[in-house]
Amino acid sequence: KQEVTQIPAALSVPEGENLVLNCSFTDSAIYNLQWFRQDPGKGLTSLLLIQSSQREQTSGRLNASLDKSSGRSTLYIAASQPGDSATYLCAVRNQAGTALIFGKGTTLSVSS
Amino acid sequence: DAGVIQSPRHEVTEMGQEVTLRCKPISGHNSLFWYRQTMMRGLELLIYFNNNVPIDDSGMPEDRFSAKMPNASFSTLKIQPSEPRDSAVYFCASSLGGVLEAFFGQGTRLTVV
Repeated sequence: KQEVTQIPAALSVPEGENLVLNCSFTDSAIYNLQWFRQDPGKGLTSLLLIQSSQREQTSGRLNASLDKSSGRSTLYIAASQPGDSATYLCAVRNQAGTALIFGKGTTLSVSS
Repeated sequence: DAGVIQSPRHEVTEMGQEVTLRCKPISGHNSLFWYRQTMMRGLELLIYFNNNVPIDDSGMPEDRFSAKMPNASFSTLKIQPSEPRDSAVYFCASSLGGVLEAFFGQGTRLTVV
């Protein structure tokens, strides 16, 4: 059974720092992986989707990488800002046409 | 497109009452998912529809929970009777073909007292 783990559960950094959020999954045979952001009391906002054949995806200050063989993905946030404060969730899809399996997220706090 | 639309946003009900949550997926998406989020367990899949047909309902906790998708633009999740332990945020999400990017609604916060 696929399990997704995100460590650390919480992270606090000063504004301007570059940071990395980690996601690991137990079954490396995934179809794709998606990173989300969730603000308190809100829904999930999709950040990046990485297909199993891809190594990384970039959007603005965000860069997500995928290493299937080791069962790991990282989300790199450059020059962090207070507005980046949120919970970041990683989710994997095992096969085409199946549902996403989520980690419990990393809650990020960026102080000004 | 307005995105995935869920209603109501908040629901407070008494134990034993029936609760119905509603979802309108993004137009053109043929896969729909219901998730439940709690502090303890995070986001858990309840049920997944593809082309209006339930594909995986293994996450539905018990017979008190039921879900329907009568057409491509509407789904409901019903809890009858509701219990305090059902209190959570319920999310609906949709995607195209169950392979592309999944988009989530704003969720329904359910409180059963």
